[in-house]
Amino acid sequence: DGGITQSPKYLFRKEGQNVTLSCEQNLNHDAMYWYRQDPGQGLRLIYYSQIVNDFQKGDIAEGYSVSREKKESFPLTVTSAQKNPTAFYLCASKDHHEQFFGPGTRLTVL
Amino acid sequence: GQQLNQSPQSMFIQEGEDVSMNCTSSSIFNTWLWYKQDPGEGPVLLIALYKAGELTSNGRLTAQFGITRKDSFLNISASIPSDVGIYFCAGLSNAGNNRKLIWGLGTSLAVNP
Repeated sequence: DGGITQSPKYLFRKEGQNVTLSCEQNLNHDAMYWYRQDPGQGLRLIYYSQIVNDFQKGDIAEGYSVSREKKESFPLTVTSAQKNPTAFYLCASKDHHEQFFGPGTRLTVL
Repeated sequence: GQQLNQSPQSMFIQEGEDVSMNCTSSSIFNTWLWYKQDPGEGPVLLIALYKAGELTSNGRLTAQFGITRKDSFLNISASIPSDVGIYFCAGLSNAGNNRKLIWGLGTSLAVNP
């Protein structure tokens, strides 16, 4: 089946620890995106990548880092510098103008 | 970052009623997308619009790309309980190198059986 997978679905971490969220797609899409979703805030763009080995900051990149070493994979690291990391994180890939989303990872920092 | 004005923010309706929601922007867009998000899941694309004035249907859903290119509408006819969720609009401009989607804040729909 073609699609976007994110793992894990739920993630708990202690404050001050870095954590990496996985995003994999087998849709052969060039562009991939990471969004953060908080209640009442809609979707806010963290980072995006239009092609392998290249990525750009979105609107709320501070405290996050990404890599794009393979077309299929776009992992997001939430660093200890992110002041309020508890949120729902969504990964997407793009075909022409349409973005397709993974199921999301809910990160809770204790 | 820029956001679209999406309204209403929330709706509570009876099963069988029709629903309308809209998004407006101060900028011109070349693409409008409508998504639905179920609780705890990723958004799912419902309808994509590429041409001003375009009217597109997907089952009980109908969406229109406004002729000014600054707005879009989504209608749901004869609502059913599984229509519950948050509906998002998103717009894409071809201006410059910035090809990020601009998102509305969502319309939360509740359907009373």
